[in-house]
Amino acid sequence: GQNIDQPTEMTATEGAIVQINCTYQTSGFNGLFWYQQHAGEAPTFLSYNVLDGLEEKGRFSSFLSRSKGYSYLLLKELQMKDSASYLCAAHGSGNTGKLIFGQGTTLQVKP
Amino acid sequence: GAGVSQSPSNKVTEKGKDVELRCDPISGHTALYWYRQSLGQGLEFLIYFQGNSAPDKSGLPSDRFSAERTGGSVSTLTIQRTQQEDSAVYLCASSLGEGEYNEQFFGPGTRLTVL
Repeated sequence: GQNIDQPTEMTATEGAIVQINCTYQTSGFNGLFWYQQHAGEAPTFLSYNVLDGLEEKGRFSSFLSRSKGYSYLLLKELQMKDSASYLCAAHGSGNTGKLIFGQGTTLQVKP
Repeated sequence: GAGVSQSPSNKVTEKGKDVELRCDPISGHTALYWYRQSLGQGLEFLIYFQGNSAPDKSGLPSDRFSAERTGGSVSTLTIQRTQQEDSAVYLCASSLGEGEYNEQFFGPGTRLTVL
């Protein structure tokens, strides 16, 4: 079957660093996406990993280990506006581009 | 530039009625996806279009759900004889083409409430 697991909720302090983990099991794997979704809004693209290793983009970094079926999103220098849901999504086999999403991690940043 | 748009933004309907949800993708995007997000749940894939054809309909939950796309652009998701369990946010996304390297851009969604 296909399964994406990530924590339901996390809390962190403004200015700190937080790591959101995601494990996946899919029938075939082509890459892993992270999206950010503020309440009541559309998900917006954060990162895409297809090869093992760390991809850094400003305050956000994403890591992938294909052999372990594991990814994480790292957020540095947290700001209040980072309070949102973070969605991990795997692109499985085939070439349709359809994404398999986890349930999302709601991050609350506190002052 | 214009992003993905969806209409209506909110729809309240009575159980048993039919509803139509519309998606206007980004101009030039040949791939279009419909997802459903139920309260407290992750996004659930429904259907994928490449141009006007739908090579992957595997996520449609029942035969009450159908979708079409015309002119390689606008798509309509139709739910017949709505049930309360159909209540969710229906999200549309588009991308430049098929394949794993194409970022999907999401619309704001249609919140469907079935009473």
